[in-house]
Amino acid sequence: GAGVSQSPSNKVTEKGKDVELRCDPISGHTALYWYRQSLGQGLEFLIYFQGNSAPDKSGLPSDRFSAERTGGSVSTLTIQRTQQEDSAVYLCASSLKALDNQPQHFGDGTRLSIL
Amino acid sequence: KQEVTQIPAALSVPEGENLVLNCSFTDSAIYNLQWFRQDPGKGLTSLLLIQSSQREQTSGRLNASLDKSSGRSTLYIAASQPGDSATYLCALPGAGSYQLTFGKGTKLSVIP
Repeated sequence: GAGVSQSPSNKVTEKGKDVELRCDPISGHTALYWYRQSLGQGLEFLIYFQGNSAPDKSGLPSDRFSAERTGGSVSTLTIQRTQQEDSAVYLCASSLKALDNQPQHFGDGTRLSIL
Repeated sequence: KQEVTQIPAALSVPEGENLVLNCSFTDSAIYNLQWFRQDPGKGLTSLLLIQSSQREQTSGRLNASLDKSSGRSTLYIAASQPGDSATYLCALPGAGSYQLTFGKGTKLSVIP
């Protein structure tokens, strides 16, 4: 596909369940980012992958959040034991390379609702 | 820590008007600045990226300017159309950082 693809587009789950969100970046993009967009907070950085380097997890809000990127392409963001405050839109972005004045291109996001 | 402010939070204009959206930031040691639009229920669409060494960038009816010394960027939209209605966000990484810090956006409504 031409753009960043995220799935599912919507996810509703009960508090305490685990969820997995998937991101397929633009082909050839080595940098991948996860952000969260919530009503009161705006857009916040969560985690960043660049090639095979160790990810920057500095934005993850708690140890219930984790992410991996397999084969330098698809990434999965996992939230364990979900809480109501995890309800938000989770956005994935990719760029050709970080710190190279390349724009970040975003997917349409996964809208997560915790009941 | 970089802080980004966008004023106004919402703007309503009649079709055909030229308009300016404002973005200010606190740390002038920036690498670049990016303007996005977001339609309801959608992700972000990149509009323009201005490198720190540039003063402005143009794409069609859009023109973005950057003044690092005063910590400001503007997005100028010429001859606005109803299809321009969306939320416009500015975002920038700090020097040596790839994490984008976003403003809260300006919600633009262009009235036919």
